[in-house]
Amino acid sequence: AQRVTQPEKLLSVFKGAPVELKCNYSYSGSPELFWYVQYSRQRLQLLLRHISRESIKGFTADLNKGETSFHLKKPFAQEEDSAMYYCALSFFTDKLIFGTGTRLQVFP
Amino acid sequence: EAGVTQFPSHSVIEKGQTVTLRCDPISGHDNLYWYRRVMGKEIKFLLHFVKESKQDESGMPNNRFLAERTGGTYSTLKVQPAELEDSGVYFCASSLPGRWSELFFGEGSRLTVL
Repeated sequence: AQRVTQPEKLLSVFKGAPVELKCNYSYSGSPELFWYVQYSRQRLQLLLRHISRESIKGFTADLNKGETSFHLKKPFAQEEDSAMYYCALSFFTDKLIFGTGTRLQVFP
Repeated sequence: EAGVTQFPSHSVIEKGQTVTLRCDPISGHDNLYWYRRVMGKEIKFLLHFVKESKQDESGMPNNRFLAERTGGTYSTLKVQPAELEDSGVYFCASSLPGRWSELFFGEGSRLTVL
């Protein structure tokens, strides 16, 4: 079955430190991968998708099919990056499969 | 532009009672989805409407859950009778036709079953 794994429930870093939020997936085909983010008291929102190959708010994510990973990275974390991050997968159907999420805390 | 709105934001009911959650999608969004996050677990797909038609309801847990979208506008999700394991946050999301992967989420309805 398709599955998304985010091994870390909580990731704490200091401002300015690099950040890597891990995401691994299990799927035999070529899925579409996403990162969604939920800031405090805000809605869940799309951060980026792998097919766009773009950097949003300094975050990037590269799809590694060999390692079946889609880790989210940012070279210098900011306090405003503190949020809950969800990795999600779709096999080009109408539904997303989410991971359990990683809470990122960025300390000043 | 108004976003996806959900009501109520929080509902506390006793086991065996009925609860109806409502979702108003963004105007023009034919796609409407319900997702659920149970405490400590992942956000799980429940079902997908395209306009008033159920496109995919493979994620609905059992027949105690009934979703409707009469007229293709707002949607309701009824749980009857509610069980303890139904507690969680129910998210609604909508998207434009053909843009199924770019979801706009509501703030969620937290359901607590005692």
